[in-house]
Amino acid sequence: QSALTQPASVSGSPGQSITISCTGTSSDVGGYNYVSWYQQHPGKAPKLMIYEVSNRPSGVPDRFSGSKSGNTASLTISGLQAEDEADYYCSSYTSSSTLVVFGGGTKLTVL
Amino acid sequence: EVQLVESGGGLVQPGRSLRLSCAASGFTFDDYAMHWVRQAPGKGLEWVSGISWNSGSIGYADSVKGRFTISRDNAKNSLYLQMNSLRAEDTALYYCAKDMGSYGQGASFDYWGQGTLVTVSS
Repeated sequence: QSALTQPASVSGSPGQSITISCTGTSSDVGGYNYVSWYQQHPGKAPKLMIYEVSNRPSGVPDRFSGSKSGNTASLTISGLQAEDEADYYCSSYTSSSTLVVFGGGTKLTVL
Repeated sequence: EVQLVESGGGLVQPGRSLRLSCAASGFTFDDYAMHWVRQAPGKGLEWVSGISWNSGSIGYADSVKGRFTISRDNAKNSLYLQMNSLRAEDTALYYCAKDMGSYGQGASFDYWGQGTLVTVSS
């Protein structure tokens, strides 16, 4: 069982917007602004899409945005494109004995 | 261009040891924290271990604590993971990942290697 909870799957049509949630506790997501999101296509290494809750690395389209409310962080993808179909993982710093926790991952299907 | 190249994976029997290496290039290695993240076949990502720029801060997942040891050699631009007492559940693709910061508390990994596969089986 993952430390952070994500929906197993979400779907949307091209051009639509979707949101993926990532729920933790006050010891991780809720306690720090250190939430990241990663995109992983099959057979590929993960790619950083969002860091520190809402910041985009250079080269990531502004269709990708992040936010946080309480113990839940969210990744929103607007104007869905076929190439957005992938697995998405959230991660957070944690004050527990480990440093970092990941969510279980969400499979995004573009219909 | 940032490059992270993992090596050292392979097939190993339960209870045995293996040492993974990650060769880094294209950035100032000793400015950044580094991490190991693994992914079991068909499963999600699991953070394994992280080390700060100067090796002063180190952390491990509970699942590997006491069995795995992370280290780095800044003179050789290299990261290592010594894995002892391996179990079947350690079977995974092991990624080396660069942190965006020096101490690792940001938990943001901006570059990843392609991974090295570790299979623990008799």
